[in-house]
Amino acid sequence: DADVTQTPRNRITKTGKRIMLECSQTKGHDRMYWYRQDPGLGLQLIYYSFDVKDINKGEISDGYSVSRQAQAKFSLSLESAIPNQTALYFCATSRGGEGYTFGSGTRLTVV
Amino acid sequence: RKEVEQDPGPFNVPEGATVAFNCTYSNSASQSFFWYRQDCRKEPKLLMSVYSSGNEDGRFTAQLNRASQYISLLIRDSKLSDSATYLCAVTLFGNEKLTFGTGTRLTIIP
Repeated sequence: DADVTQTPRNRITKTGKRIMLECSQTKGHDRMYWYRQDPGLGLQLIYYSFDVKDINKGEISDGYSVSRQAQAKFSLSLESAIPNQTALYFCATSRGGEGYTFGSGTRLTVV
Repeated sequence: RKEVEQDPGPFNVPEGATVAFNCTYSNSASQSFFWYRQDCRKEPKLLMSVYSSGNEDGRFTAQLNRASQYISLLIRDSKLSDSATYLCAVTLFGNEKLTFGTGTRLTIIP
């Protein structure tokens, strides 16, 4: 099993729908992150959490919300999806001072 | 100016050649540095950390130049399997968030 698991892997949704992307990890890391990746723009930080009671906005949090249900689970919600939220979404985890481990990504298309 | 900048490429390099990429960062308080490799439609995977003293792992060598605020990645004896996008990433002192460059695309030509 993967250390960082994202579900779903692919999703097509309609404008205005609420959608949740889920991330779970078995690495025992405290820190978890949500990024989106768009061609030519690189990885942009949406939200991050350093422990269960800590939630912080990243560079592009508008239109998104998160929930850290447990140390191992960090979910990302789009309350009302819009087409420019079409992107590849990555969850990542880390332990202090080390590089991130990424999940395999969720490819989201909003039509 | 972007916090982390990379030449997007593409770099088209013959098999067996040596190729080098640079990545510049704007904040002199940056503390930790990493190189990631990303294959098409896949997640980034940590290639190596970049230490002040440099870091070497087989055919790959990473260097840090704090005075000029850049990190570099050198790939020797390039293989077809090295074809990928290489991302650099930087954190600030006391801050665990990684800021990524947009990546440099490398294609190794047979």
